[in-house]
Amino acid sequence: DGGITQSPKYLFRKEGQNVTLSCEQNLNHDAMYWYRQDPGQGLRLIYYSQIVNDFQKGDIAEGYSVSREKKESFPLTVTSAQKNPTAFYLCASSIGRDGNEQFFGPGTRLTVL
Amino acid sequence: DAKTTQPPSMDCAEGRAANLPCNHSTISGNEYVYWYRQIHSQGPQYIIHGLKNNETNEMASLIITEDRKSSTLILPHATLRDTAVYYCIVRPLIQGAQKLVFGQGTRLTINP
Repeated sequence: DGGITQSPKYLFRKEGQNVTLSCEQNLNHDAMYWYRQDPGQGLRLIYYSQIVNDFQKGDIAEGYSVSREKKESFPLTVTSAQKNPTAFYLCASSIGRDGNEQFFGPGTRLTVL
Repeated sequence: DAKTTQPPSMDCAEGRAANLPCNHSTISGNEYVYWYRQIHSQGPQYIIHGLKNNETNEMASLIITEDRKSSTLILPHATLRDTAVYYCIVRPLIQGAQKLVFGQGTRLTINP
């Protein structure tokens, strides 16, 4: 089955620890994205990548880092510099050409204790 | 990116048509109207998009006014599984990765 996967679904970490969220897609999509969602709010863009070895900051990149070493993978690291890391994190991908929709993964709910 | 305005919540009876409005009065000529929905604790799901003509697919219909300042998403025969938050998004026609700006959407509740 083609799709986009995120693991784990729930993640708990102690304050001050870095944590990496995984995102994998087998859709052969060029573009990948990370969003953050807080309760009752819409999604906000953290980082996005148009092609391998290239990525750009979104609206709320501070305290996060990403890498794009492979087309299929776009891991997100939540660093200790992120002031309010507890949130629902969503990864998405798209073909990258004009007018194409984004496909979302199931999300990872991160709780920092 | 153009701003959109949606009612915070709506109710609809099961089996009836659900009509979700969206205002985008500052939309530019090169911006598409997209609709996504998000069922609780899941990732958003693409529904439909359009530029100026009405569009229909297996999930829904999109009606865009002639001046493009508003649109309506129609779910023709709503089921309980259509209960979700529906997001109306406008974005420009650009190359490569495309940023989606999500507002707070409309929480649609389908009642039995």
